[in-house]
This record gives sequence, structure tokens and C-alpha cells, in this order.
Amino acid sequence: QKEVEQDPGPLSVPEGAIVSLNCTYSNSAFQYFMWYRQYSRKGPELLMYTYSSGNKEDGRFTAQVDKSSKYISLFIRDSQPSDSATYLCAMSYNNNDMRFGAGTRLTVKP
Amino acid sequence: GAVVSQHPSWVICKSGTSVKIECRSLDFQATTMFWYRQFPKQSLMLMATSNEGSKATYEQGVEKDKFLINHASLTLSTLTVTSAHPEDSSFYICSTLGAGDTQYFGPGTRLTVL
Repeated sequence: QKEVEQDPGPLSVPEGAIVSLNCTYSNSAFQYFMWYRQYSRKGPELLMYTYSSGNKEDGRFTAQVDKSSKYISLFIRDSQPSDSATYLCAMSYNNNDMRFGAGTRLTVKP
Repeated sequence: GAVVSQHPSWVICKSGTSVKIECRSLDFQATTMFWYRQFPKQSLMLMATSNEGSKATYEQGVEKDKFLINHASLTLSTLTVTSAHPEDSSFYICSTLGAGDTQYFGPGTRLTVL
């Protein structure tokens, strides 16, 4: 079993839709949870950073962590075509060495 | 999805020595591999794109003579940090480019240069 599981999609939604992206993990020691956005052939950019459980909101983006279920989510409200990218979850037990999900490819259609 | 391994998972070396990090695609023939460097709480920095049988393409600001990349086979790419210094201490991650441009990341290598 992989430490981090993420459905690679692809996921296609109309503009304005709410997008829900999810990852599950098996290592209960993970404390730090991140979401990255990666445009084609570019390096991933850090989008959201969360420590332990709870929610974090930044503009149209909300990250949720449920440590009891070993489940994290990223919600994108009012999705835009410019949100079309691959979204990767990542997590770490020591805020340094990270484990990545496979990434979910998202397309937002105008 | 593809399985990617890295070796070693962590390494400590003295300043001035060279360190080789291996990235293997275990179940997929990877013509393209990427090498990243990770700083805490920061985005991954793409260092170079490694293409099997040809020279790697380095990103701007990355010294190709310091970070030697060899992609001699479809399953193995190596990153050698030459004459390592403490500022090279970081977390190095490789990834392979799979079907549909999906990237599969390795578990990373923690390098500490004393």
C-alpha cells in the first residue's frame, strides 16, 4: 500500500463549479499537509500548508485535514479556467521529508 | 501508477565530497525524469529535466557542472552533487513522467553536508 493515495483523474468541471480534491494516507505520523499546483511542464508551486487537523482557507481555496480518517481535501470555489492544472497533495511527519500523491489533473471548461 | 524509488533515502557527507543519488522507475520505462530540490515550507524547485540517452536540460541558475545528471537507461537517472557544501544540504526529489503527463514522485533523498 502506498503511503499517499490520490486519484489521478482526470477531472473536468464547468467554470464556476466547486471542485473537491482528496487524498488518503496510511502513516499516522504525518503532521504537515500540503497542496501543490503544477502547470504543465513546470515545477509544483505550494498552494496550501496545514499543520495537524482542521481547516484553512485562502481566497477561493480551502484545505481540510481529518487525521482520524487519514483524509485530506482541497476545495476550490468558483473555479476558473486558469485553475486547470495538476494538483498534488503532499505530507510529512517532520516538515521536511515529504511524500507526494500522484496528482489529480483538473480541467475547468469555460 | 508508476513506482519510483530513490537511493539513498538519506546521506551525510563531508564538505568537498561528491554524492550520487539514484532515481529508479521500477515498473515503467521513463524516457523523462525530473530532479527537484525542496526547501522547508517552500515550493519544489525544478533543477533539471533528464532525458534518456541525451544531455539533461538545466533550469536557469542551476549549475550543470555541480549537479551532474546521467540518464543512461529507461529506468535509472542519477544526480551527482559534486564538491558538496553545507548550502547544498536539502531534500532532493525525482519524478518520472508517465502516461498522460502524470508525474510520479520518488520518496526523496535527504542530503546533509557537514
